[in-house]
Amino acid sequence: NAGVTQTPKFRVLKTGQSMTLLCAQDMNHEYMYWYRQDPGMGLRLIHYSVGEGTTAKGEVPDGYNVSRLKKQNFLLGLESAAPSQTSVYFCASSYPEEREGSYEQYFGPGTRLTVT
Amino acid sequence: DQQVKQNSPSLSVQEGRISILNCDYTNSMFDYFLWYKKYPAEGPTFLISISSIKDKNEDGRFTVFLNKSAKHLSLHIVPSQPGDSAVYFCAANAGGTSYGKLTFGQGTILTVHP
Repeated sequence: NAGVTQTPKFRVLKTGQSMTLLCAQDMNHEYMYWYRQDPGMGLRLIHYSVGEGTTAKGEVPDGYNVSRLKKQNFLLGLESAAPSQTSVYFCASSYPEEREGSYEQYFGPGTRLTVT
Repeated sequence: DQQVKQNSPSLSVQEGRISILNCDYTNSMFDYFLWYKKYPAEGPTFLISISSIKDKNEDGRFTVFLNKSAKHLSLHIVPSQPGDSAVYFCAANAGGTSYGKLTFGQGTILTVHP
């Protein structure tokens, strides 16, 4: 099993450009999450999904959109990139807590995005 | 408003000694806590967790202690090894209809010297 994979690993964008980050998981998890990690800020939740076709806002959703057309994939879009979106982006997935009795999330390796 | 705080940005210890990483939280709805470890250029990996109905959970060299009245948890690593050098994040979940969402602290960089 590959677990959680993310593409691309690195990307440099100019202000105003758009891009999509792809997250894929092969663990049949219902829940998926997108986080950003910035120095001194820990990981902050951008958007999340509790199932195919559903998405919801997290703590810092502005400037981002998401889609979950297939259970195994969760896409994060930046329509018009800004320098403030320079960050490392992590995708994670998990089972519903009642199934596992745990809140453990499994993370991908991250995408390092720089917006100039 | 930082609901989960790790007030020590870094910690340095000698190999073989104990490492103690601390975490404080403000949201009284949090009832499940996790520690994650992160190496450079990798995603966080789960280390150990504790439910609010317990005050201690142990897994090999790693022990997590929870003090609900103080809204404080700590991770003890004994004995510390150079391979433990990483960033450690504590995280919390509020249960109920939280859909597994986690709130993370800022992280503590642990360096274990040989």
